[in-house]
Amino acid sequence: IQMTQSPSSLSASVGDRVTITCRASQSINTYLNWYQQKPGKAPKVLIYAASSLQSGVPSRFSGSGSGTEFTLTISSLKPEDFATYYCQQSSSIPQTFGQGTKVEIK
Amino acid sequence: EVQLVESGGALVQPGGSLRLSCAASGFTFSYYSMNWVRQAPGKGLEWVSYISFSDTTIYYADSVKGRFTISRDNAKNSLYLQMNSLRAEDTAVYYCARGTSSGWNWGQGTLVTVSS
Repeated sequence: IQMTQSPSSLSASVGDRVTITCRASQSINTYLNWYQQKPGKAPKVLIYAASSLQSGVPSRFSGSGSGTEFTLTISSLKPEDFATYYCQQSSSIPQTFGQGTKVEIK
Repeated sequence: EVQLVESGGALVQPGGSLRLSCAASGFTFSYYSMNWVRQAPGKGLEWVSYISFSDTTIYYADSVKGRFTISRDNAKNSLYLQMNSLRAEDTAVYYCARGTSSGWNWGQGTLVTVSS
């Protein structure tokens, strides 16, 4: 299953609302995870099962979607949110990743 | 607390071999499937290999099939990746990751550099 994220990168300011889209090449129901990765660090899960917030993750992060189209929304961007975000389908093995979306400071 | 600690990364010449290890703690290792994922410098995440909890099911990415071998020792709470016939394009940070229904847990990664 191929996962396609858009955009590949974006520039935003602190306080902005940011939306990242992930599309699957076939239906994956809600088997979709979102990760945040900062330079030199391992990815960290933010959202699992498309819309469930991982414990300890701030509520400004939210996920939605089902089937083939999904979104990750950051309601009000904070300085610590500048990072790269990846979607991952967990519907079938291999559990493939999107190519990533880099969120940069405007 | 779930911990995954990779080791074994090094500088190796093209055509060489390397064995990566991942030591797991904080959970019942034998209950979980495991994965290796790599990330080339400045690039995205690339899934490499999967092994089921009982090692009866194994998958590889096409890019490493026939060259890499995944294995596990549930008695030692350890995951391995034997990498042979290494190429420059195998240069990456290699992560081991535990699959769960609430996303993956990741180690800190180990760097493999393939260069002469």
